Amino acid sequence: SQQGEEDPQALSIQEGENATMNCSYKTSINNLQWYRQNSGRGLVHLILIRSNEREKHSGRLRVTLDTSKKSSSLLITASRAADTASYFCATGSNNAGNMLTFGGGTRLMVKP
Amino acid sequence: GAGVSQSPSNKVTEKGKDVELRCDPISGHTALYWYRQSLGQGLEFLIYFQGNSAPDKSGLPSDRFSAERTGGSVSTLTIQRTQQEDSAVYLCASSLERNQPQHFGDGTRLSIL
Repeated sequence: SQQGEEDPQALSIQEGENATMNCSYKTSINNLQWYRQNSGRGLVHLILIRSNEREKHSGRLRVTLDTSKKSSSLLITASRAADTASYFCATGSNNAGNMLTFGGGTRLMVKP
Repeated sequence: GAGVSQSPSNKVTEKGKDVELRCDPISGHTALYWYRQSLGQGLEFLIYFQGNSAPDKSGLPSDRFSAERTGGSVSTLTIQRTQQEDSAVYLCASSLERNQPQHFGDGTRLSIL
């Protein structure tokens, strides 16, 4: 079963609007990472937040982590058409062996 | 090169044939991962290599799947007697250590006819 589950599965917004994607997970984690995937390409790492952190920023990206609710959110502010992609959360955990566990992703479309 | 390189980028083969997929990780990265991604889906972990340790094969779906990593660098994923359900994009990633940010190649799109 998937550790991370993204919500919504698909999101369509206008350029300039903010986009919020959520991720829920089931077991304890060491860190949570967000990745972006453009169509036909590999995943690109965006941001990593550790289990003892609550919020992290990188440019137009803001990630929050609530370990009590086992959830994280990714906010993209002032979205651009070039932000159109799929976004995945992935959890790293000592209990999960050696791999990150990826969710099913949110497909974001930003309309110009 | 600077990134993870995978070859071939596309592979079309007949059911029952064997295929080999190659991954060149980022130089110096000790961890190497293989994933499978079906159309519009998330990533399914297949196998993980860390340095000279025995690989974590817990994600391999059947004994038709195997992987090697020679000299701690290049890796090949082999699928024997391919089936139509093996059709997917196979992604390779490397990282400095496990649970750290992973750097992905663009994948091999495998189509089994």
